[in-house]
This record gives sequence, structure tokens and C-alpha cells, in this order.
Amino acid sequence: AQTVTQSQPEMSVQEAETVTLSCTYDTSENNYYLFWYKQPPSRQMILVIRQEAYKQQNATENRFSVNFQKAAKSFSLKISDSQLGDTAMYFCAFLGAGNNRKLIWGLGTSLAVNP
Amino acid sequence: GAVVSQHPSRVICKSGTSVKIECRSLDFQATTMFWYRQFPKQSLMLMATSNEGSKATYEQGVEKDKFLINHASLTLSTLTVTSAHPEDSSFYICSAREVKGGAYNEQFFGPGTRLTVL
Repeated sequence: AQTVTQSQPEMSVQEAETVTLSCTYDTSENNYYLFWYKQPPSRQMILVIRQEAYKQQNATENRFSVNFQKAAKSFSLKISDSQLGDTAMYFCAFLGAGNNRKLIWGLGTSLAVNP
Repeated sequence: GAVVSQHPSRVICKSGTSVKIECRSLDFQATTMFWYRQFPKQSLMLMATSNEGSKATYEQGVEKDKFLINHASLTLSTLTVTSAHPEDSSFYICSAREVKGGAYNEQFFGPGTRLTVL
């Protein structure tokens, strides 16, 4: 069975600094998708970034980028130029490519951006 | 991006009553919708997957007679918490997967419903 591990329950960063959130996963599949979701205090889940496993290039969305290491099954999120609005829970998630697929979630990392 | 709405956003009910939560995909069709439960400062726990026109598939440990799910159309799924008790108090989130074909269809999330059972 697939698992997703986020080993950092809480992190903090100063405004304008860079922070990296860790995520590792376990799967026997070769084709899959990885995600980082943000859940701010409003609790609305927001997709931050998506990575297709078959793509070697790391995904990037403005200040957010990932370091995808397929062999190591690692998928970290880097937030550059951190802003106060980045304060949120961040969840790493895995989605297999087969039928009846469902998102497998990590436990989350609570990120606080300090002024 | 696509929008998923949930109604109500907050509900308080007495123990023993039933509560219905609606989940709608506003500008897209979703053959599959998901219902999650989330406790404070915890991750999302999948309760069930509903497919339009068929019975929902419940995760292990989730009582299907207590959490009734109906997915009557491509834009509406409902979760009914029957005979609610204080331990059912939680934050419930629905999610809808867009139907577009291809290998990947994005999943969009509703804003959640906070249920408090007194």
C-alpha cells in the first residue's frame, strides 16, 4: 500500500526567507502523481503544485518549486520569498495512476511565516 | 479553476437528529466525489467515494448506515449524518473530480462544513 510521510509537524520561517518542507512516499507503481496542498486558516484546500512521476523536470509555480527525486521517493516543497499569507498547513499527497485511485495524504506540516 | 460548493458551512444540531450536507460542482461535471473528515490539526481522512448513479464505496471503519451518501447527478452529492452524536462533531470536506478524459483529472475541494452535535 502507498504511504506518504511528512516528518516535520511544524516549521517556521521569517518573511522573505526560503523554507523547504519534506515529503517521502512509498509505492511500487511507476506512474503516479504527487501534490502539495495548502490549507490556510479558512480550511479551504488549495492545490499548490503537481508533479507527474514520468516527468523528470521539477514542477514550478511562481515562488513554489519541488525537488522530485523518484529513486529516493522524495518530494520536497521549496517556498521562496516567504510571505505572511503562506502561513498554513501543507499536505503532501500521492495519487496512483490505476483505476479506483484516491489521494493518499501525509499528516501535514504546519508552517508559520513570521514578520 | 473549477468551484465546489458545500452547504451548509456550519451546522449545529442536537444529539439524535440527522444532518444533510450538500456538495455541488458549480461549473463542471464530476462522476466521482469524495467525502473526507478532518479533526483539528490533523490530515484528511477519506470516508467514502461516490460515483454518480451507483452506491458509494466506504473506507474501512466508516459506518455506511450512519453516513449516507447519495450522488444523484453529475453535479451533486449529499452526505447525511444519521442519528448524530457528539463524537460525529468534525469538519467534513467534499471533493469532486473533474471529467475530462485523459490520464489525469484534477480534484477540487469544497470549503468544508463544520458540524457540531450538542
